[in-house]
Amino acid sequence: GAVVSQHPSWVICKSGTSVKIECRSLDFQATTMFWYRQFPKQSLMLMATSNEGSKATYEQGVEKDKFLINHASLTLSTLTVTSAHPEDSSFYICSATRRVAGMRNEQFFGPGTRLTVL
Amino acid sequence: AQSVTQPDIHITVSEGASLELRCNYSYGATPYLFWYVQSPGQGLQLLLKYFSGDTLVQGIKGFEAEFKRSQSSFNLRKPSVHWSDAAEYFCAVGAGDYKLSFGAGTTVTVRA
Repeated sequence: GAVVSQHPSWVICKSGTSVKIECRSLDFQATTMFWYRQFPKQSLMLMATSNEGSKATYEQGVEKDKFLINHASLTLSTLTVTSAHPEDSSFYICSATRRVAGMRNEQFFGPGTRLTVL
Repeated sequence: AQSVTQPDIHITVSEGASLELRCNYSYGATPYLFWYVQSPGQGLQLLLKYFSGDTLVQGIKGFEAEFKRSQSSFNLRKPSVHWSDAAEYFCAVGAGDYKLSFGAGTTVTVRA
């Protein structure tokens, strides 16, 4: 249990186009989803926290108009990179938390999406 | 705010030898600590976690970690490394809002 999927696993797009990345919790309802980006040979940097039915909370320095996050259901969150540019090329990883009574929520990570902007 | 330091950027170990990866954290309250492993181009897999209780935590793939509050450390160990353990390892600390802060990672290379 606690499987998180991402789609697509990799995407190549032209500069100026928008790209949507989906994050799904397959076998549980995710109260909160997180979006990270990871540059080559570097650590994960939290971009935003997404709660179902409410606006995402962005970390300092992350442009909310650039990285649109929608969390329309308890099993799906989407990240849209708008007007993508080569500097947006990165590995994007989502995670989802599952509420378990009496236990601290744990984050389950998706396999990541490799975005390359030409 | 919480933070994590992984002092070793890269470690090379012989197959069958023991492995220890260091992790130091900074957090004002009781930390929630995690170790993850990432293979190239893949997502993160949880190796083990510490929330409370026994300070020696057993994880998957033969890994264990020990929480030492006095040293603000949560070092990861494995008695005998296999070639398949070559990967990137991340230590993370979680706060009450469930956000995770990750260390910079340690790359483990296993030589035959």
